[in-house]
Amino acid sequence: GENVEQHPSTLSVQEGDSAVIKCTYSDSASNYFPWYKQELGKRPQLIIDIRSNVGEKKDQRIAVTLNKTAKHFSLHITETQPEDSAVYFCAASTGYSSASKIIFGSGTRLSIRP
Amino acid sequence: DAGVIQSPRHEVTEMGQEVTLRCKPISGHNSLFWYRQTMMRGLELLIYFNNNVPIDDSGMPEDRFSAKMPNASFSTLKIQPSEPRDSAVYFCASTPGHPLSSGNTIYFGEGSWLTVV
Repeated sequence: GENVEQHPSTLSVQEGDSAVIKCTYSDSASNYFPWYKQELGKRPQLIIDIRSNVGEKKDQRIAVTLNKTAKHFSLHITETQPEDSAVYFCAASTGYSSASKIIFGSGTRLSIRP
Repeated sequence: DAGVIQSPRHEVTEMGQEVTLRCKPISGHNSLFWYRQTMMRGLELLIYFNNNVPIDDSGMPEDRFSAKMPNASFSTLKIQPSEPRDSAVYFCASTPGHPLSSGNTIYFGEGSWLTVV
């Protein structure tokens, strides 16, 4: 089955700097890669996703890149702000089947230093 | 839509007691997932259903755990008997499961915070 590995487990960056979180997956059939943000005591919420037919996707300060050959994908947050502090999870899924499952990475705790 | 609704939000129970967690998925969603979150193991997929049918329960830790989905709008996760190591946040989530719409965006409930003492 699918296995998703995520690094680093914790990340501290200065406010205004960029943060990068990396994930690798094992199942070459995976074609949908969402990223979730979980604030303390709250539910995970989708912040951005990418499908396998796209190499990069951007949404304001957030971008995700995908390298299907190497089976890895990354989350990039630019101009970090205090409200970016949270736990971020990557995930992989076979996507288009309604019966497919979504496997999450172990999470990255991002702290933004003022 | 009110989103995925879970109950109870918080439960403290004694070891050996039965625990039942409940979930109402978003109306129209046809896939439902149960995840368990702990500091040590992150977000673990326990079981998921498609059109009310269990598809994969390989993540259920042991026979003390069981899950049902009797209809499209209700699911339960039961632990009997409960043990202290079952203490965790249990999330229910659902997806529309339609490839041409939002794909497999997964919508989480607010979680059930379980403490077994």
